[in-house]
Amino acid sequence: ETGVTQSPTHLIKTRGQQVTLRCSSQSGHNTVSWYQQALGQGPQFIFQYYREEENGRGNFPPRFSGLQFPNYSSELNVNALELDDSALYLCASRDPSGGETQYFGPGTRLLVL
Amino acid sequence: EDKVVQSPLSLVVHEGDTVTLNCSYEVTNFRSLLWYKQEKKAPTFLFMLTSSGIEKKSGRLSSILDKKELSSILNITATQTGDSAIYLCEGRTGNQFYFGTGTSLTVIP
Repeated sequence: ETGVTQSPTHLIKTRGQQVTLRCSSQSGHNTVSWYQQALGQGPQFIFQYYREEENGRGNFPPRFSGLQFPNYSSELNVNALELDDSALYLCASRDPSGGETQYFGPGTRLLVL
Repeated sequence: EDKVVQSPLSLVVHEGDTVTLNCSYEVTNFRSLLWYKQEKKAPTFLFMLTSSGIEKKSGRLSSILDKKELSSILNITATQTGDSAIYLCEGRTGNQFYFGTGTSLTVIP
C-alpha cells in the first residue's frame, strides 16, 4: 500500500467523449505526476503538478489537462477521446523535500471504443 | 531526443539464478535514475541513483550507475518466483521523466 488511491479502477468510453480521472495523494505530498501506460510499454510522462501549478509536461496534446487541489487530490482530464487513449493511467505523488522517491497509485484502466 | 532503453525485453530464468537487467539513458541535464518493480499495476520503487550515489544494495537486489557509459544495471541474485515482474527504469531531468519499456522477468520454480 502506497497511500495513493485512484478512481475509478476501470472505465469504458467512446471516441470523442471526455473523461476525468482522479488521484488522491499521500498527505503532505505536494507534487503529483500523471503517466499513460499502453499495453506492453513503459509509462509515458504526461505532466507534473507542484502546489497546484503545472511545472512539467511530456509530449502530450493540450486535450490532456490536469488540476491539483489543496487537499492533495488531483485530476487528469482528457477531451475528445481517441482509440489510442486506451491505456492504464497512473498517478504518482511525492514530497520533494523527502527526495526523489514517488509513490504510484494502482491506476485507472481506460478503454476507448 | 531524450530516451531510456532497457534490455533485454524479456528474460526467463530458473529459481536460484542471477540476472542482470540493463538500462541505458540519453537524458539531457540528467538528474537521477530510478528502478521500479511492476507486478500488477502500480510500479513500486526499488532504487534511486544519482551522479553522487552510484551504487545501491538491498538484500538480493543491487544497482550500479555508470556515468561514463550512461547506463545502469540491476542485479538480482538467488532469484525467487516472487521476483517475476516487469522491471522499469526511469531517467529524470529537471521536470521531465522518461521510462524505458521495461524488462519482463519470469522466474521458473
